[in-house]
Amino acid sequence: DGGITQSPKYLFRKEGQNVTLSCEQNLNHDAMYWYRQDPGQGLRLIYYSQIVNDFQKGDIAEGYSVSREKKESFPLTVTSAQKNPTAFYLCASSRRQPDQPQHFGDGTRLSIL
Amino acid sequence: GQQLNQSPQSMFIQEGEDVSMNCTSSSIFNTWLWYKQDPGEGPVLLIALYKAGELTSNGRLTAQFGITRKDSFLNISASIPSDVGIYFCAGTGANSKLTFGKGITLSVRP
Repeated sequence: DGGITQSPKYLFRKEGQNVTLSCEQNLNHDAMYWYRQDPGQGLRLIYYSQIVNDFQKGDIAEGYSVSREKKESFPLTVTSAQKNPTAFYLCASSRRQPDQPQHFGDGTRLSIL
Repeated sequence: GQQLNQSPQSMFIQEGEDVSMNCTSSSIFNTWLWYKQDPGEGPVLLIALYKAGELTSNGRLTAQFGITRKDSFLNISASIPSDVGIYFCAGTGANSKLTFGKGITLSVRP
């Protein structure tokens, strides 16, 4: 079945450590996105990519980094510069044309040890 | 910037009841989307709307794209316990970026 796979489901980070969240899609979508979800805050855009080897900052990019070396993959690194990383992280993908709906993975919950 | 307003933050209904939730904006949107999120999972697309006035159904769910293009509503008929979750509206406006509302948490009492 086509879909978006995020791993791991749960992740723990020590102080000063970088961690990488994986997102893979087999929907043949050009565009991919990373969101952060906090209780009562809705979804906030971290980074997005419309095409391989290109990505743009979203509304809350500080303390995060991404890469887009393959169409299917869009990993997110939460760096030690992100002082409040505890959240639910959601990856999404869509066709590149305007107004195309985004489809989401099942998320990764990141917590601080 | 573009903002979508969803209120109240939580709704409580009795099993079997209908419920309606709406989403409003001060600016015009070209697309309206409704998602449902179960606890610990990602949002799932319920209905997508692309034309002003469009009314679309998906089982017990019905959504409409407002004529003014500044609002949309989602109606759930004959609610059941598995309707529990967070319902998000989302839309794309002039900048083609997808904007999300903060969501409404729906609880269904048996």
